[in-house]
Amino acid sequence: RKEVEQDPGPFNVPEGATVAFNCTYSNSASQSFFWYRQDCRKEPKLLMSVYSSGNEDGRFTAQLNRASQYISLLIRDSKLSDSATYLCVAGGSQGNLIFGKGTKLSVKP
Amino acid sequence: DVKVTQSSRYLVKRTGEKVFLECVQDMDHENMFWYRQDPGLGLRLIYFSYDVKMKEKGDIPEGYSVSREKKERFSLILESASTNQTSMYLCASSGLGILNNSPLHFGNGTRLTVT
Repeated sequence: RKEVEQDPGPFNVPEGATVAFNCTYSNSASQSFFWYRQDCRKEPKLLMSVYSSGNEDGRFTAQLNRASQYISLLIRDSKLSDSATYLCVAGGSQGNLIFGKGTKLSVKP
Repeated sequence: DVKVTQSSRYLVKRTGEKVFLECVQDMDHENMFWYRQDPGLGLRLIYFSYDVKMKEKGDIPEGYSVSREKKERFSLILESASTNQTSMYLCASSGLGILNNSPLHFGNGTRLTVT
């Protein structure tokens, strides 16, 4: 089983849509979880951390389900500028972070 | 704001050359990382370091070495570049202890082409 798995997409959605990305991780001892955003030919940038109780930042909501080893990201009222690749990240066993391969989102007018 | 600076945005090198990729961070972070990113393979960890002069192998260390002589600088070395090392190389840093898994801050990447 891959350490962090995501649906690669692409997700093609109209502006204003709500879109959800899911991710599973294999290390049951992971303590840290993040979502990163990566624009084409740019470096990944931290979008938000994911907390056990779930957390929200404007139009973005992240959820963690430890029992199922599952992380999600919900984007409401999507904008054209949300078009990017979203990387799911979980803490690894060596103290490093393990990145998923990313889910590509394309928001269309 | 954390700044991670990679010395070159684009590099073209010949097979067999020794290549140095430099990375500097300005936030006094303990931990520094080198990844490569390839289409369909995602980000793969090459080496990381949690202190000066310390280094740990990541998932794909073969063909690479690293140097961390100063806290702010982490260098990736390709001893003898090969065409399969053509890739985007990303340096990152993070604060707190290594086991705290604090978020990474990335440099803007070096796109290396080996011909």
